[in-house]
Amino acid sequence: QAQLVESGGGVVQPGRSLRLSCEASGFIFGNYHMHWVRQAPGKGLEWVAVIWHDGLNKYYGNSMKGRFTISRDNSKNTLFLQMNSLRVEDTAVYFCAREEGYCNAGGCYGSAAFDSWGQGTPVTVSS
Amino acid sequence: QSALTQPASVSGSPGQSITISCAGTSSDIGSYNLVSWYQQLPDKAPKLMIYEGSKRPSGVSLRFSGSKSGNTASLTISGLQAEDEGDYYCCSFAGTSIWVFGGGTKLTVL
Repeated sequence: QAQLVESGGGVVQPGRSLRLSCEASGFIFGNYHMHWVRQAPGKGLEWVAVIWHDGLNKYYGNSMKGRFTISRDNSKNTLFLQMNSLRVEDTAVYFCAREEGYCNAGGCYGSAAFDSWGQGTPVTVSS
Repeated sequence: QSALTQPASVSGSPGQSITISCAGTSSDIGSYNLVSWYQQLPDKAPKLMIYEGSKRPSGVSLRFSGSKSGNTASLTISGLQAEDEGDYYCCSFAGTSIWVFGGGTKLTVL
């Protein structure tokens, strides 16, 4: 059974940086596209970023472009989110999520749905 | 990347059916059959309930069903139960490896 455990959240001042981690277990990590999704206090879900299974392609939500960097280490079954130039409005619980999918001889593909989620790590940006 | 539009709240009595709508555009819901729905209980991580518009993951009750018409997707819960109470979010692939969520709908079981 897939398990995702986030860490690295905390309280940080505006303009500073933070690096989140997500350790995966129970599945072949390198076969799946992985995402970060965040949820501000009392608000809805917001998609943050995706990284393809092989790490070769990365895409970001508009408000994160240029400030956030998603990466992964398939040898350590770990997903990362480097967050720079943090703003008060980045305050949220950050979830990592696995994109449901499969692999065949042609490669690994996603269904665009998030079938496993971590418990989330809270990030508070405040002076 | 505008958020999809969901009603803020819906309610129903046990045993009834309710439907939650999710309005998008021709750039997201209208272009792809890649809408997913998530249930989020208080202080919990979201749970996938429907993917690719109408498919149910293993273990999800048959009472949950999804559909799409044009730029709008819908989640229907039949035989409403008290345990269904929570927040529901739709999400759509929006092209160029971009995803967009709806604002969420709070379901109250009366």
